[in-house]
Amino acid sequence: GGIITQTPKFLIGQEGQKLTLKCQQNFNHDTMYWYRQDSGKGLRLIYYSITENDLQKGDLSEGYDASREKKSSFSLTVTSAQKNEMAVFLCASSQGLGYTEVFFGKGTRLTVV
Amino acid sequence: GDQVKQSPSALSLQEGTNSALRCNFSIATTTVQWFLQNPRGSLMNLFYLVPGTKENGRLKSTFNSKESYSTLHIRDAQLEDSGTYFCAVLRASSSFSKLVFGQGTSLSVVP
Repeated sequence: GGIITQTPKFLIGQEGQKLTLKCQQNFNHDTMYWYRQDSGKGLRLIYYSITENDLQKGDLSEGYDASREKKSSFSLTVTSAQKNEMAVFLCASSQGLGYTEVFFGKGTRLTVV
Repeated sequence: GDQVKQSPSALSLQEGTNSALRCNFSIATTTVQWFLQNPRGSLMNLFYLVPGTKENGRLKSTFNSKESYSTLHIRDAQLEDSGTYFCAVLRASSSFSKLVFGQGTSLSVVP
């Protein structure tokens, strides 16, 4: 088995601030994802990456940047935090691009004041 | 419209009883995953399904690809089964892949 570690667990930012969320996995998985979950709702895909230095936009990429620095890590940047972005951000990974099981980290809860 | 619909949206079960959660989808897919999100927000993998049925302890899940639905059966519900159950369907092509999530079923198991 493996584990996906997200840091920080809680992030408080100011409106307009640039904020970075980090994710590490030790599954040795090729594909990594960032999802956003708003209160009481399902998850929506922000960005994903199929290999080191690859980036693919999801449904919700506007207002975000991402970086796959190496195979094991995938970071997400909120370029200018807005009050309606209070949500939980979940990082995930899977062995391949499709048809393989996806595993999630425990999330980063973002609050914008 | 919603591509993955879960029902019911909320459910209260007495400890020891059985129930079934439903996931209907309008995406052509070959895999379905079920997750349980606990009150702290962690997503736990329950099932990864190709068409057919899997069982794990008191949980059983079926994926019917012809009729585009999946079910999750909970037998002898326990307090620790409480949380939000998500179904997610793989939408994939040669150039992209993503899980499309339903809105979840919030389950409360009461004594």
